[in-house]
Amino acid sequence: KQEVTQIPAALSVPEGENLVLNCSFTDSAIYNLQWFRQDPGKGLTSLLLIQSSQREQTSGRLNASLDKSSGRSTLYIAASQPGDSATYLCAENSGGSNYKLTFGKGTLLTVNP
Amino acid sequence: ETGVTQTPRHLVMGMTNKKSLKCEQHLGHNAMYWYKQSAKKPLELMFVYSLEERVENNSVPSRFSPECPNSSHLFLHLHTLQPEDSALYLCASSQDGAGANTGELFFGEGSRLTVL
Repeated sequence: KQEVTQIPAALSVPEGENLVLNCSFTDSAIYNLQWFRQDPGKGLTSLLLIQSSQREQTSGRLNASLDKSSGRSTLYIAASQPGDSATYLCAENSGGSNYKLTFGKGTLLTVNP
Repeated sequence: ETGVTQTPRHLVMGMTNKKSLKCEQHLGHNAMYWYKQSAKKPLELMFVYSLEERVENNSVPSRFSPECPNSSHLFLHLHTLQPEDSALYLCASSQDGAGANTGELFFGEGSRLTVL
């Protein structure tokens, strides 16, 4: 059974700091990995999608990397802002279909002004 | 309207009630999903419909009954629920190409369900 682990469970940083969120997965036959953001009481917003053939993806201040051999992905947030405060979830797609998407429990990020 | 919309956003029901959650996607996708999100637990996939046909049911209790009348609409019918069914129910959609998966899920805002 695939497992996705996100460490730390919660992170608090001052505004302007660069930070890294971690995601580890057990299934090396990964198809792709997605990072999502969830604001309190809201749905999930897709941030970045990395295919298994890629090593990283960038969108604005966000950069996600994928290392299949070690079973790890990181989400790097540059120059953090209070508006980045949210829960960040990663999800591993190991079945070539979204039906096999396994989610982590998320990292709750708080960026203090 | 854009994206994925869910109604109602909040629902309180007794254990003997019957209610329904509704989801509508305006993205032209051909697959829709119901997920359950409980506190301190990862998202759990409940149902998947691809091209209006149910393709996955992750051993969900029969008190949850999905319906997908067309590729844009998805319902979750609820009856005789238990307090432990209280959770955030999320709908999502994607463009499903078996073997040619885009992998990108678009979620609605969720329906917060409280069972008394």
